[in-house]
Amino acid sequence: DQQVKQNSPSLSVQEGRISILNCDYTNSMFDYFLWYKKYPAEGPTFLISISSIKDKNEDGRFTVFLNKSAKHLSLHIVPSQPGDSAVYFCAASVPQGGSEKLVFGKGMKLTVNP
Amino acid sequence: GAVVSQHPSRVICKSGTSVKIECRSLDFQATTMFWYRQFPKQSLMLMATSNEGSKATYEQGVEKDKFLINHASLTLSTLTVTSAHPEDSSFYICSANPSDYYNEQFFGPGTRLTVL
Repeated sequence: DQQVKQNSPSLSVQEGRISILNCDYTNSMFDYFLWYKKYPAEGPTFLISISSIKDKNEDGRFTVFLNKSAKHLSLHIVPSQPGDSAVYFCAASVPQGGSEKLVFGKGMKLTVNP
Repeated sequence: GAVVSQHPSRVICKSGTSVKIECRSLDFQATTMFWYRQFPKQSLMLMATSNEGSKATYEQGVEKDKFLINHASLTLSTLTVTSAHPEDSSFYICSANPSDYYNEQFFGPGTRLTVL
């Protein structure tokens, strides 16, 4: 049962344009959502997050939008840069004991062409 | 941000041998660490939750006798792949979060395991 879904495996955009990465989830217990960026043979690095009580969070070129009623979130990157080319993982967290358990989507490969 | 390290970064071993992977939180203490496995073209799959001073909690379908986890201190968790087989070849990643970064996991750089 895929609780976090990234239905598009890849996206290719032109440098300077907007990249929109989508993510859907099924578990209404998720209370926090995160986006991670991953280069090959490296661990994921945190990009941006949003609490379930908000609908938008912006950090520089990155903005995450959350639509709780639709159980949908998206990551907007504008303007896109070639260095943004990587695999992006959407993740949702749910409390587990004294920490948070992360559930990841399958990832989306973003290619930004110069 | 907080730093999590893993050792080794890459290991190649023969089938039937055991391999130990270390995960360390370098500048914070972590009572809980997580171990993930990434398959090619697939997402990161949570294998188990490593709890300092107690037994690890394994996800459904993960063999606890094959993937031994020891969280001996607040800064170190180890994953031992016992009697490794070629199908265990994968990229193993650990994560942890400091108490003041409750919602954010910091990931190690990962360990590439290749079983011949």
